[in-house]
Amino acid sequence: GQSLEQPSEVTAVEGAIVQINCTYQTSGFYGLSWYQQHDGGAPTFLSYNALDGLEETGRFSSFLSRSDSYGYLLLQELQMKDSASYFCAVYGGATNKLIFGTGTLLAVQP
Amino acid sequence: EAGVTQFPSHSVIEKGQTVTLRCDPISGHDNLYWYRRVMGKEIKFLLHFVKESKQDESGMPNNRFLAERTGGTYSTLKVQPAELEDSGVYFCASSRGGNSGANVLTFGAGSRLTVL
Repeated sequence: GQSLEQPSEVTAVEGAIVQINCTYQTSGFYGLSWYQQHDGGAPTFLSYNALDGLEETGRFSSFLSRSDSYGYLLLQELQMKDSASYFCAVYGGATNKLIFGTGTLLAVQP
Repeated sequence: EAGVTQFPSHSVIEKGQTVTLRCDPISGHDNLYWYRRVMGKEIKFLLHFVKESKQDESGMPNNRFLAERTGGTYSTLKVQPAELEDSGVYFCASSRGGNSGANVLTFGAGSRLTVL
């Protein structure tokens, strides 16, 4: 089966850097995705890593280590608007459906 | 392009009643997914359509749930009869063709279902 683990909550202050880790176990693997969901809103795509290494998109970066079945999302120069839930997700299973983790609730404090 | 739209945004029903949720995907997106999030838990996969065909319905909880996608356009998810544990937010998502890992899903804002 598939499973993904992430911390349930993370708290940080404005301007800081925070790292949200994700470990996964899946049959078949294409890559690791990250989605952001603000309270009451739609999950939105942030990043995708198919290969090992770091991908940078503005203040957000995502890392993948396929050999360790591990990845993380790095958020720099935190802003209040970054307060949201962050989900890692992988494609897996016989039909390659996107499987989500339980999400990490990030609270950014002034 | 217009996004994924879902209706209703919020539905409150009593146990035993029927509710039908609707999703209009982005035009031209062959893949349509239904997910559910119960408070504080993961976004759980329910099923996946490719055009009008069910590709994978392994996440459907039981036979009280019925999903359709007639003509490969909009989709409906009917819960009949609803039970208390069906409460949660039902998300619909769509994407272009293909099942590669780079397939980016566009989600709707969700339909919040409350069963009393």
